[in-house]
Amino acid sequence: AQSVTQPDIHITVSEGASLELRCNYSYGATPYLFWYVQSPGQGLQLLLKYFSGDTLVQGIKGFEAEFKRSQSSFNLRKPSVHWSDAAEYFCALAGGTDKLIFGTGTRLQVFP
Amino acid sequence: GAVVSQHPSWVICKSGTSVKIECRSLDFQATTMFWYRQFPKQSLMLMATSNEGSKATYEQGVEKDKFLINHASLTLSTLTVTSAHPEDSSFYICSAQQGAMNTEAFFGQGTRLTVV
Repeated sequence: AQSVTQPDIHITVSEGASLELRCNYSYGATPYLFWYVQSPGQGLQLLLKYFSGDTLVQGIKGFEAEFKRSQSSFNLRKPSVHWSDAAEYFCALAGGTDKLIFGTGTRLQVFP
Repeated sequence: GAVVSQHPSWVICKSGTSVKIECRSLDFQATTMFWYRQFPKQSLMLMATSNEGSKATYEQGVEKDKFLINHASLTLSTLTVTSAHPEDSSFYICSAQQGAMNTEAFFGQGTRLTVV
């Protein structure tokens, strides 16, 4: 069965600190992986995606993610967080069908 | 990136009435559109997948007679919540995908439905 797990429901960091949001997946082959960000009351914006090739993926707003097949992970990172990064972050998987399977999300809070 | 417009952004309706939500791909033709429901502080739950010109495919547990989906053109899909009840109050989000499976899906800004 395909699934996405985001172990951290809520993360709080100070502005300027580094950030890593965890994402683990379950899928029999190499999945297509995505990270989305959602501001309150808004839709989802794609931060980055991994389809194949280089396992370190660069996205918008200074985010990057690394696909690690051995760990079934696709963690999102940012070296220095800005207050405007406070939002809900969703990891998602697409494997074999058109459907996206979302993790439960991680709420990021940024303190000044 | 491509733009998906969802309308209205919010709507309040009385119990028993029907509400239509539109999802438009503004600058691309969407082969497939998806409708999601999101409860407060929770993830997105896929309700149905619609392909232009054919009947929508509903996920298990989603009442197709209550949530009517029409995908009449490659740029427009509609979700109609029929005979709405307070428990239908939620945040509804659409996404649109161009081309083959696993290509990027673009999301609308969502619709907050409140049934009173």
